[in-house]
Amino acid sequence: QKEVEQNSGPLSVPEGAIASLNCTYSDRGSQSFFWYRQYSGKSPELIMSIYSNGDKEDGRFTAQLNKASQYVSLLIRDSQPSDSATYLCATRTSGNEKLTFGTGTRLTIIP
Amino acid sequence: DADVTQTPRNRITKTGKRIMLECSQTKGHDRMYWYRQDPGLGLRLIYYSFDVKDINKGEISDGYSVSRQAQAKFSLSLESAIPNQTALYFCATSEGTGVVPYEQYFGPGTRLTVT
Repeated sequence: QKEVEQNSGPLSVPEGAIASLNCTYSDRGSQSFFWYRQYSGKSPELIMSIYSNGDKEDGRFTAQLNKASQYVSLLIRDSQPSDSATYLCATRTSGNEKLTFGTGTRLTIIP
Repeated sequence: DADVTQTPRNRITKTGKRIMLECSQTKGHDRMYWYRQDPGLGLRLIYYSFDVKDINKGEISDGYSVSRQAQAKFSLSLESAIPNQTALYFCATSEGTGVVPYEQYFGPGTRLTVT
């Protein structure tokens, strides 16, 4: 079982709709959670971090964390073609410097 | 100017050659990291450094070495490159303390091909 699992996609969403990206993790000691966006051939760009149960909103993005279910998600409202990218979920365990990344979900926004 | 820079951006080298990838940052962060990214395998940590005197192995350090020349500079070396080291290499930085949960910021990457 992978430590951080994401559906590889591709996930296709119409422009203007809500895109929902999901991530599950196996390490119950995970404390911090991160969503990165990566365009093809480019570097990962941090979108959001979250470390408390519940929702965290930043503009069109909302991260949701449920530690009991070991589940973190990213919602993108009013999806734009520029949101088409691979989205990486990462976790960090307390006392451990390492970020553990999922392999990413490829999102395509259809105009 | 970019906060985290990497040189070279692209490199093609032959098996057995020594190669160095360089990373510089102007973010003032103490912590620096080297990752490699392979299709289907995601990002994997090679080495990380808390400061100039503190360097630690990551999950895939074999075949690599690093040098932290200054707070702002962290270099990755492949002593004798082999084809399965062909990958996209990223440098990243983060703060060591503070309220943010150690968010890491990535450089633009180096695409390395070993033939």
